[in-house]
Parts: sequence; structure tokens; C-alpha cells
Amino acid sequence: KAGVTQTPRYLIKTRGQQVTLSCSPISGHRSVSWYQQTPGQGLQFLFEYFSETQRNKGNFPGRFSGRQFSNSRSEMNVSTLELGDSALYLCASSPSGASAYEQYFGPGTRLTVT
Amino acid sequence: GENVEQHPSTLSVQEGDSAVIKCTYSDSASNYFPWYKQELGKGPQLIIDIRSNVGEKKDQRIAVTLNKTAKHFSLHITETQPEDSAVYFCAAGGDSWGKLQFGAGTQVVVTP
Repeated sequence: KAGVTQTPRYLIKTRGQQVTLSCSPISGHRSVSWYQQTPGQGLQFLFEYFSETQRNKGNFPGRFSGRQFSNSRSEMNVSTLELGDSALYLCASSPSGASAYEQYFGPGTRLTVT
Repeated sequence: GENVEQHPSTLSVQEGDSAVIKCTYSDSASNYFPWYKQELGKGPQLIIDIRSNVGEKKDQRIAVTLNKTAKHFSLHITETQPEDSAVYFCAAGGDSWGKLQFGAGTQVVVTP
């Protein structure tokens, strides 16, 4: 099976702009979680989607939003970018059933805000 | 909320020796404890996990132990090889949809 894919892999944006990142889960996985990884804060949970519904949300401002489509692909959006939003954004997909806790990560999108 | 502490932050071992990384968690409701390996330029890779109803799990050179009473869990890598060099993260979850709380990571360097 193909792994989790994320596009684009690299992005450079200017403060105040907005950005949309995309994630395609492993085939058959319906849950997608998003994380922000920075050297200072480590890996922090943003939100999780299942069957097009947000089931869980981390402690990030409302500028961070997401959605999931009927094919389980997910996007996250960051509006009014700040310098502190520079990070590696990771998505992870999870299977259903007994293995539902397992999360498989994509390679990430490296966002640089200047 | 959940807090996961991970030690040490860096670990240097000779090839063939063992490496041990330890984590503690705070939330008693956590019942799933995965370990991830992250190489430069890649996303975290799930290498082993353990659930709260199991005390120990082994997969070839990698083993994980869990002490639920003390809220400790550890990763053991035996017969280390240069390709084991990476950053290793512990995490805790299972009580909140899709959310894992990660430790700060351990940079493991295996020298030939």
C-alpha cells in the first residue's frame, strides 16, 4: 500500500498570507490527524477528522482550520500567517477497528513564513 | 492535560551496545503508548507500540516495557547498528480521538 502523502513538500509564504496544505491518507484509512512540529515545542496535535467530521481539536488559534473530504483526503488551512507558524506540518492516518490508535505519518510539509 | 517526559535528550552508543530511552506520562486515562523513529527529512515512523493491558512487547531487536502503576514506559534497542541513528519519540494516547501527546525526543547516535 502507498503511504501517507502530503503536498506540497515545501512552501515559503509571507506574513499575513494564508496557506492550504493537503494530505492523502493510506488507502482505507478514514481518520486523519494533523500535527505541528517545531524545534521549540516539539510535536503538537492540531486536530483530527473522521468521516468528514472534526472529532478532536488541539490548543491552536482559530487561524488554523481543516476539513476532510468524502474520499478521506484532508486539508488544513492557516490564515493570516505569522512568523511563528514556520514549522513542519505532519499528517497521520489511522485504520479502523482494533488498530484505530495506530497513526502512520506522512513526510510533512515544511512551511517557512518570512 | 497529558504531559509526557522523555529522557535522555541525546544518547551516544557504540555499535553493538544497547540503548534505553525512558518516558513518563501523567494522564491515567492513557492506554496506548507508541514509539516513533524520525530520520532527517522524513516523517515519524511507527516502530513499536504497547497497550495498557500488556507489560512488555518485543519485535526483533526492539522491545518496549510498560509500568502502568508508575506511569513509566521504556524503549530498548539491542545490538545497535549505525542505521539506528535517528530521533526517537515516545507518545501516549488512546483516550482522545486521534490525539497523541509526544515526548520531546531522543537523538540517538550509534558510532561504528
